Amino acid sequence: DIVMTQSPDSLAVSLGERATINCKSSQSVFYSPKYKNYLAWYQQKPGQPPKLLIYWASTRESGVPDRFSGSGSGTEFTLTISSLQAEDVAVYYCHQYYSTPLTFGPGTKVDIK
Amino acid sequence: QVQLQESGPGLLRPSETLSLTCTVSGGPVMNYYWNWMRQPPGKGLEWIGDIYYTGSTNYNPSLKSRVTISVDTSKNQFSLELRSVTAADTAKYYCVRSKSQSQGGAPDYWGQGTLVIVSS
Repeated sequence: DIVMTQSPDSLAVSLGERATINCKSSQSVFYSPKYKNYLAWYQQKPGQPPKLLIYWASTRESGVPDRFSGSGSGTEFTLTISSLQAEDVAVYYCHQYYSTPLTFGPGTKVDIK
Repeated sequence: QVQLQESGPGLLRPSETLSLTCTVSGGPVMNYYWNWMRQPPGKGLEWIGDIYYTGSTNYNPSLKSRVTISVDTSKNQFSLELRSVTAADTAKYYCVRSKSQSQGGAPDYWGQGTLVIVSS
């Protein structure tokens, strides 16, 4: 199984400031025939299902604000919220869909400082 | 807009079988992978397994001996069966669509989830 880890476990950021979440996979999720990383990021608010923010490591899902961006390749990835808004308070998960069993990181809780 | 809705019992006794159905509206089940995921209260996400519209399945090895996922394209539904449940199977269960490979392959549309409690 590909093990996903995230850091930090939680962070508090002032409104308008940058939030950065890191994700590492225990093996590469880069699929060379398609030149894509099979890595996604999700946002989950209390009582709601996860919402897809980013797929292919850096492609923003339709309708997702451009303050959310993803980067990285191979085994190390980053989700950046460039200017934190109150509605961004949530738990964020990275997810590999390169191979089964599909696996998720443990989550990073983002709060307002 | 694709919508998914889980249905099934919310309370089970240990050793019983969990049976859930996901009804898909706003789009076909054909040409997509369909997943079951779960999330114990206050914890992270676990992939249970998936099924392609043709009926081909993949299961999480941790649950494989107890799980069956099936699809009914005529009803635009897919289903989960988890046998011999214990308290450790208490979780919110989500049905989830994955994008096609050409569109990115990531799970995108999620149902609202249904809470299943296993208790004697």
